[in-house]
Amino acid sequence: QVQLQESGPGLVKPSETLSLTCTVSGASINSDYWSWIRQSPGGGLKWIGYISHSGHTNYLPSLRSRVTMSIDTSKTHFSLNLTSVTAADTAVYFCARVRYSDSSGYYPDSWGQGTLVSVSS
Amino acid sequence: SYELTQPPSVSVSPGQTDRITCSGDALPKKYVYWYQQKSGQAPVLVIYEDSKRPSGIPERFSGSSSGTMATLTISGAQVEDEADYYCFSTDNSGKGLFGGGTKLTVL
Repeated sequence: QVQLQESGPGLVKPSETLSLTCTVSGASINSDYWSWIRQSPGGGLKWIGYISHSGHTNYLPSLRSRVTMSIDTSKTHFSLNLTSVTAADTAVYFCARVRYSDSSGYYPDSWGQGTLVSVSS
Repeated sequence: SYELTQPPSVSVSPGQTDRITCSGDALPKKYVYWYQQKSGQAPVLVIYEDSKRPSGIPERFSGSSSGTMATLTISGAQVEDEADYYCFSTDNSGKGLFGGGTKLTVL
């Protein structure tokens, strides 16, 4: 049973960088894809992107200039960096495992509990 | 830009059948996935690849897709099914996206 746990600061100042880590247990980080999804307060889910076990990334176009995902296969975690944040980036951030196949595409299947990040001075 | 469109809300009486739709132009060529999100919790996958049910998901949850519309059906809705439901798919360039979500009320 895969388990994911997000960690990182709950408060980030405007214009600074939001950095989160997702620690994976119960599954090999070397054999799947991994993603970040966020949800603004009272809002819907928004796909941010994914990173493969080999480091290939796929980001939401509207965030691509500010997003970087990385993966540390030796330490079983992957990370999200979002630069130049504003109040609009305030959200619950979820990490999730992604199931990927060339024939059926990809989707998140197992999720972390999420962590609230507020952007405020 | 490409969107997946869901009704904002639906309501059903306990024991009745509920259907939640998700429409998108790319759906004839892309699978749809459905998630249930209860208040304050992480989403849970309830349907994958249009109509398959993960282990542990009750049989009353089913999915279908035809043309540009996918449908999540809850046959005999229970009070515990009250939640937000989101569809997920990819566009023709491979970018992932969620529908806007549908709030299901069971009363």
